Amino acid sequence: EIVLTQSPGTLSLSPGERVTLSCRASQRVPTNYLAWYQQKPGQAPRLLIYLASRRATGIPDRFSASGSGTDFSLTISRLEPEDFAVYYCEQYGASPQTFGGGTKVEIK
Amino acid sequence: EVQVVESGGGLVQPGGSLRLSCTASGFTFVDYAMIWVRQAPGKGLEWVSVITGNGRDTYYADSVRGRFTISRDNSKNTVSLQMNSLRAEDTAVYFCAKRHDSSGPTGYFDSWGRGTLVTVSS
Repeated sequence: EIVLTQSPGTLSLSPGERVTLSCRASQRVPTNYLAWYQQKPGQAPRLLIYLASRRATGIPDRFSASGSGTDFSLTISRLEPEDFAVYYCEQYGASPQTFGGGTKVEIK
Repeated sequence: EVQVVESGGGLVQPGGSLRLSCTASGFTFVDYAMIWVRQAPGKGLEWVSVITGNGRDTYYADSVRGRFTISRDNSKNTVSLQMNSLRAEDTAVYFCAKRHDSSGPTGYFDSWGRGTLVTVSS
């Protein structure tokens, strides 16, 4: 199965800062079928990005993503207070689909 | 508005059984695959099982294959997860989610429920 490694594990940042999260796959993700989710404590995950770079419905444009093959990233251009959360990548190009371990973005 | 609501979680002893249910609304249920994803306390997300829109195909993670059974009733917009031979390591919040498409083993999930907690302990 494709193993996804997210780095760093935790980021301590201030509102207004720019942040880039990394998701590296153990092998090429077919068709760049990679998604990003945001999860806040006690809540369900929310879809942010699919197909590596396409924003889901209703997602603000401060969220952007890129990548292909084995290296993918999610960028938040200016952190808002509501963006402090855990972010997961997920590949759905190969079975079984797999999630990364998550990156926590916390308030500094 | 799409809504997905899970129910049925609780405390069960090791070796016991539990049945989770998920009721969906706000979309044409039969047109979408549905999935169960779990999250152990303080841990990340783990895919558990998926069922295609027409219910003909089901897929399971190795960790639950042979113990869990997913099913759906398209007349009632519900999907269920029958969990047997439960183990301590099955303790988790179980999320039901709508996939973006109807068929095949993989996809991304565009609507999620709030989850239901399953605790396996004596």
